[in-house]
Amino acid sequence: GQQVMQIPQYQHVQEGEDFTTYCNSSTTLSNIQWYKQRPGGHPVFLIQLVKSGEVKKQKRLTFQFGEAKKNSSLHITATQTTDVGTYFCADNDMRFGAGTRLTVKP
Amino acid sequence: EAGVTQSPTHLIKTRGQQATLRCSPISGHTSVYWYQQALGLGLQFLLWYDEGEERNRGNFPPRFSGRQFPNYSSELNVNALELEDSALYLCASSQGWNTIYFGEGSWLTVV
Repeated sequence: GQQVMQIPQYQHVQEGEDFTTYCNSSTTLSNIQWYKQRPGGHPVFLIQLVKSGEVKKQKRLTFQFGEAKKNSSLHITATQTTDVGTYFCADNDMRFGAGTRLTVKP
Repeated sequence: EAGVTQSPTHLIKTRGQQATLRCSPISGHTSVYWYQQALGLGLQFLLWYDEGEERNRGNFPPRFSGRQFPNYSSELNVNALELEDSALYLCASSQGWNTIYFGEGSWLTVV
């Protein structure tokens, strides 16, 4: 089974609203990675977090790694239709969470 | 530089048959990962090969097997196919513990 739990499974937002997906592990991770899979596409690497409490930003995307290195979040500010897709987290063994499918209503 | 390449793109097999999927990693990458993604679902980890050896295996029955060749390319074999094996099979490669890069996948349909 999957080592990391990811919630929510689905999220439907109005364009301009914010979006957050959460990833939780039962064990301490050495790192966590985030990927985005567009509909019909393959997963593409977004970012890797390594340090406890680390926060990284990519334009409207903010990634956080928890202090205990057991949880992580991806927050998108003011979603756009281009943000549509499924967002996955992956632990240091490259095991993926179930993903959060984001749909954005224009 | 070529990315991860997978073949075939699509494969249709009959229940009980065997399927073989192939993957060529990015040049210089020694690790290959295989994932199963059933339609609309998440990525289920299948196998991880590094330097020609199986390093880790997901929660799949033994009829899912594979190997990595000296040139780091890899094969995934699925024996005694079942209908629920129909899925997109994704291969990814990496160099050490770095980012993994995915191929476009192979669609396997079992009828």
